Amino acid sequence: DAGVIQSPRHEVTEMGQEVTLRCKPISGHNSLFWYRQTMMRGLELLIYFNNNVPIDDSGMPEDRFSAKMPNASFSTLKIQPSEPRDSAVYFCASSLKGGVNQPQHFGDGTRLSIL
Amino acid sequence: DAKTTQPPSMDCAEGRAANLPCNHSTISGNEYVYWYRQIHSQGPQYIIHGLKNNETNEMASLIITEDRKSSTLILPHATLRDTAVYYCIVRVLGGSGGSNYKLTFGKGTLLTVNP
Repeated sequence: DAGVIQSPRHEVTEMGQEVTLRCKPISGHNSLFWYRQTMMRGLELLIYFNNNVPIDDSGMPEDRFSAKMPNASFSTLKIQPSEPRDSAVYFCASSLKGGVNQPQHFGDGTRLSIL
Repeated sequence: DAKTTQPPSMDCAEGRAANLPCNHSTISGNEYVYWYRQIHSQGPQYIIHGLKNNETNEMASLIITEDRKSSTLILPHATLRDTAVYYCIVRVLGGSGGSNYKLTFGKGTLLTVNP
């Protein structure tokens, strides 16, 4: 079975550039999550979608970050303009519904470096 | 969410059982215990979860004490590929806006399986 697919796996770009991270959730899953992982802060939830609708974006650090889910099989996380402190590994996860008894399945992440 | 306490690191010999402890003394009656692991350069991987009863799947066993204040993840025959950071997470049920989706990752236990 195909798991959560993220692209690109690695991204290196200069400060000020727009960055777009992509995620394809597991087919049939209707909840999607974006996380960020850094050494200092660990894994943090950025935003959660249920049935393509953003439910909780309280973890999005600031207005430079935006996320969309135009359909059930695709989501993007965009940073514009990017800053060096945005350097991190960004993970996408999906699950059946968002209930507590449904485990989240993670992709292998995008390692983002902002120079 | 109830906080969890895990040892920062553990060692285990290949082929032996790895027993990873987790304390969650403030857990509430409707909170599940979840275990994930993260192998280097990969996304977190779901292992197992439980509420009150002990659970077993193809990956591991979860033993929850009767008072639910602690639990142990058991990898019955550890291999080198089990070297990873293991996260014990207590996941709240309910909450406004469906907040039961949240996974709050701590620092976990780095399990090193030695040949």
